[in-house]
Order: sequence, then structure tokens, then C-alpha cells
Amino acid sequence: DQQVKQNSPSLSVQEGRISILNCDYTNSMFDYFLWYKKYPAEGPTFLISISSIKDKNEDGRFTVFLNKSAKHLSLHIVPSQPGDSAVYFCAASASNTGNQFYFGTGTSLTVIP
Amino acid sequence: ETGVTQTPRHLVMGMTNKKSLKCEQHLGHNAMYWYKQSAKKPLELMFVYNFKEQTENNSVPSRFSPECPNSSHLFLHLHTLQPEDSALYLCASSQELAGGPIAETQYFGPGTRLLVL
Repeated sequence: DQQVKQNSPSLSVQEGRISILNCDYTNSMFDYFLWYKKYPAEGPTFLISISSIKDKNEDGRFTVFLNKSAKHLSLHIVPSQPGDSAVYFCAASASNTGNQFYFGTGTSLTVIP
Repeated sequence: ETGVTQTPRHLVMGMTNKKSLKCEQHLGHNAMYWYKQSAKKPLELMFVYNFKEQTENNSVPSRFSPECPNSSHLFLHLHTLQPEDSALYLCASSQELAGGPIAETQYFGPGTRLLVL
């Protein structure tokens, strides 16, 4: 059973507007979450992370929000740029399982110029 | 070279072939991973090597055999694969704290696109 879900396989946003990518998880033991960005023919690259002791983490145009009660996290990109067009994966891990990260299936973001 | 490199980038093999995928990390990390990414499925963790010791094997068929000769190199030996093994195979590395349970951010290579005929 998938423990991390990204229910939107794709998203299109106009340049300059906000992109919101969503991720849900089922395991309440997850306490560390990451977003990865993947361009075609490249491996995923780390974008931003958040631990469960926080509900928000910001890095430039990227902000991740964590709602532990809803087991939901989201990635906000504002303003969106054409170079942000990529597949975004969320991943989660639990402290007591060490190296094991669980990944979502990804959301393909297209930013329209 | 920097980061995590993988060779080959593309591989086509028959079901009776033996081939190996290679991964090298230049980040000084002490943990390395093999993941499989099939179409429309999440990344699946296959193997973990932490401090060169295999710590996890998520019920991967024996036709996949990992090898970690040192903390910078990781191989995935392939033998008598099936067409359903066609996928993108990603290598990753991270710096894990000795005795620490918290997983650190993993850095990925570009992947090997494998096609089994």
C-alpha cells in the first residue's frame, strides 16, 4: 500500500502565478519530508525539506507547508517560472526506519510562458 | 567530477544476458542506495548500503545482485532479467550519522534507463 500519495499527476500554471503541489501520507510516524525536482533524463535533485517540528519552511520562491493533523504537505512555488517545469516528487521518512524514504508518484508541473 | 554518476545511461539487454550498472559518488557520503522507478509508480527502494554494509533488501529478486566494494562505488549486477524489470534505475547517496536513526537527504544520480527484451 502506498504510504505517500500525490494525487495530481499533472499541473499547468501560468508564468508568474503560484504553483501548489500537494502530497498526502498515511503513516503518522513520518517525521521528515522532502521535495525533489526531476528534469527529463536527469536524476531527482533535492529541493526543500521540512521536519515534523515545523509547519513551514521557506527557501526563496519555494515554501513547504506541513499539516500533521491532516497528514498533508504542500509545495508552493511563487512566482512560477518556465524553468520550474519538471516532475516534483515528495518523499517521507520516519526516524525509526533510518534510511528508508517513501516516495510519491510525482506531479508533472508545466509553467506556461 | 562531482555528485553522483551512473553508467551506462542506457542499456538494452536480452533475458539471458548478464550486465552490471555502476554508480559512483564524489560527495564523501557513507550510504548508497539503489532505487527502481517504473512508469507511473513511486520510486522503489531496492538496496541500502550503510557504511559499506548492506542494511536493507526490500525483497528484491535474486536476479538483482548488489555489490559495494567501497563507500564511493556501488554496482548492481543483473542476470536473467524479465521484461517487467525494464525501468529507470537510480542510485543515490547520503551522509548518515553513526548510530543515528534519522535519514539524511539523498542525492541522486541521473539513472540508467534499462530495457529488457
